[in-house]
Amino acid sequence: DQQVKQNSPSLSVQEGRISILNCDYTNSMFDYFLWYKKYPAEGPTFLISISSIKDKNEDGRFTVFLNKSAKHLSLHIVPSQPGDSAVYFCAALPRKTGNQFYFGTGTSLTVIP
Amino acid sequence: DAGITQSPRHKVTETGTPVTLRCHQTENHRYMYWYRQDPGHGLRLIHYSYGVKDTDKGEVSDGYSVSRSKTEDFLLTLESATSSQTSVYFCAISESTTGNTIYFGEGSWLTVV
Repeated sequence: DQQVKQNSPSLSVQEGRISILNCDYTNSMFDYFLWYKKYPAEGPTFLISISSIKDKNEDGRFTVFLNKSAKHLSLHIVPSQPGDSAVYFCAALPRKTGNQFYFGTGTSLTVIP
Repeated sequence: DAGITQSPRHKVTETGTPVTLRCHQTENHRYMYWYRQDPGHGLRLIHYSYGVKDTDKGEVSDGYSVSRSKTEDFLLTLESATSSQTSVYFCAISESTTGNTIYFGEGSWLTVV
């Protein structure tokens, strides 16, 4: 049973435009969320995170939005660059139940020059 | 980059043979994890450890065992490899139980023929 879902397997965006990657979760115990970026033949690398006490966190071109009532988070990349082409995973961590991170299935982003 | 080393990085083995993947960290982090990545499934947790000799099962633990005899080393063993265990395996580490980042190794590509 997938508790963290990324319903779009792929996304293509023109260079300079906004990329929006979405993630939904079902477990109301999740209280910390992360986004990871993965290039082929490499391990995932941490991108940005957000605590459930916030609804937005920004780091340069990357912004994560959290809508707790909808159990939805999104990653905005503005402006998108060709080097952003990668697979993006969202992850969630439940409070007070150990340190087990739950990952989504990933969205493959292609930024077209 | 987090100090995580996985070995071997690539391995081809025959069905029914035992295989051990090793993860070594230099960060002295408490938590260590083994994930597998498969198309359409994202990153799925196999086993994790919350201390020396303290381990627990993840969502896809069948057919796998782990051991952690030292803080820095976490071993994943496939007792009798099957073709369904052909995958990319990632080791990861994290430090605390709340609001923390998980860091990944470079991955180990395992093919079972």
